[in-house]
Amino acid sequence: SAVISQKPSRDICQRGTSLTIQCQVDSQVTMMFWYRQQPGQSLTLIATANQGSEATYESGFVIDKFPISRPNLTFSTLTVSNMSPEDSSIYLCSVEGDLNEKLFFGSGTQLSVL
Amino acid sequence: GENVEQHPSTLSVQEGDSAVIKCTYSDSASNYFPWYKQELGKGPQLIIDIRSNVGEKKDQRIAVTLNKTAKHFSLHITETQPEDSAVYFCAASAGGTSYGKLTFGQGTILTVHP
Repeated sequence: SAVISQKPSRDICQRGTSLTIQCQVDSQVTMMFWYRQQPGQSLTLIATANQGSEATYESGFVIDKFPISRPNLTFSTLTVSNMSPEDSSIYLCSVEGDLNEKLFFGSGTQLSVL
Repeated sequence: GENVEQHPSTLSVQEGDSAVIKCTYSDSASNYFPWYKQELGKGPQLIIDIRSNVGEKKDQRIAVTLNKTAKHFSLHITETQPEDSAVYFCAASAGGTSYGKLTFGQGTILTVHP
């Protein structure tokens, strides 16, 4: 399975600010995904990060709030914009193994918004 | 869209006992069903998965069963150990180009008492 590194691992931010989360994979992968896990809750897919094109967002998530970059096959960023306390969550980067069609997760970024 | 229900929300067992977690799904197009284990402060770890052309799959102390007709699948852990204590999530996807687009259950907090 791929090794997925996320930065930062946690952060405390003030409302109205933005935070960019980085995801680095140790091998080239076609598909990368960003998930959100609200406190004590399950995981919800935010968007699919497409290399060389705009991200594909799920219902309830918009590009203005969660802009995503995917400049190459090993890296992606998710920005949480104009944060409010409701954005306090764990944000998880995940990649699909090209050979075995399984989804693997990074360790996540725990975000707290005051 | 897909809806995945998971039960129970909490499960407490004695070391050495078996644990069973059940999930139901709504979309008959779903054909890929992974299970993840999440320990505190970590990202979800894939522990076993099953595809719709298989009724049962086993990996050491862990097994998953799938009933496509009834649209439910279950995780079985035998000879539980304290290190099995974690939150377990089931998930479903339609596979194909969407293995990474998972719909997750609500999670089960498993506690194994020594």
